[in-house]
Amino acid sequence: QSVLTQPPSVSAAPGQKVTISCSASSSNIGNNYVSWYQQLSGTAPKLLIYDNNKRPSGIPDRFSGSKSGTSATLGITGLQTGDEAVYYCGTWDTSRLNAVFGGGTKLTVL
Amino acid sequence: QVQLQESGPGLVKPSETLSLTCTVSGGSTSYAYWSWIRQPPGKGLEWIGYIYHSGSTAYNPSLESRVGISIDTSKTHFSLRLSSVTAADTAVYYCARQMYSYDSGAYSNWFDPWGQGTLVTVSS
Repeated sequence: QSVLTQPPSVSAAPGQKVTISCSASSSNIGNNYVSWYQQLSGTAPKLLIYDNNKRPSGIPDRFSGSKSGTSATLGITGLQTGDEAVYYCGTWDTSRLNAVFGGGTKLTVL
Repeated sequence: QVQLQESGPGLVKPSETLSLTCTVSGGSTSYAYWSWIRQPPGKGLEWIGYIYHSGSTAYNPSLESRVGISIDTSKTHFSLRLSSVTAADTAVYYCARQMYSYDSGAYSNWFDPWGQGTLVTVSS
């Protein structure tokens, strides 16, 4: 059971937009910044978003992040088949004193 | 740019100690947090702990009694030790640079870059 809750799967057609939610409690998302990671099949996770909505160099602006209260959202526009992956949210949990992740959301581009 | 590479045995016997090393290239381990994260087959990510370049550490409370992370004085690699392993410790183990700070009442915490990961299987 992950501390952060994500939907197990989402799907959309190429070119469309999809959002992935991540929710939890005030001891983690509510008071701290959220990051997002993309894990392509058989590879290590890759940072997509940090500090709720900042993109590292090299990440296209098709990827965006937002946070409201105890929930965060990853948005992906102009979906491509290469975006098929598992997406994880993460943050710091102040009460547990450790980094926590969501259970992951598998994105299928139909 | 910084790159990380895990190394160590791919098979560990139950009750023994798992030992892995992460080699940092393209930079040193100075002035950063360095962490270990694991992923059981088909499952999600679990943070194991971090070490700061000064040697201070923090561990996941669920693993704290069995885990140790150390850093080499040469500042080119850091290591993980996990004792008394069981089949539940079978996972891909990743090392990563952890960007961790506290500012304006909130913690910022994210991981970049990551190593490619190494599968460790616990079996007799």
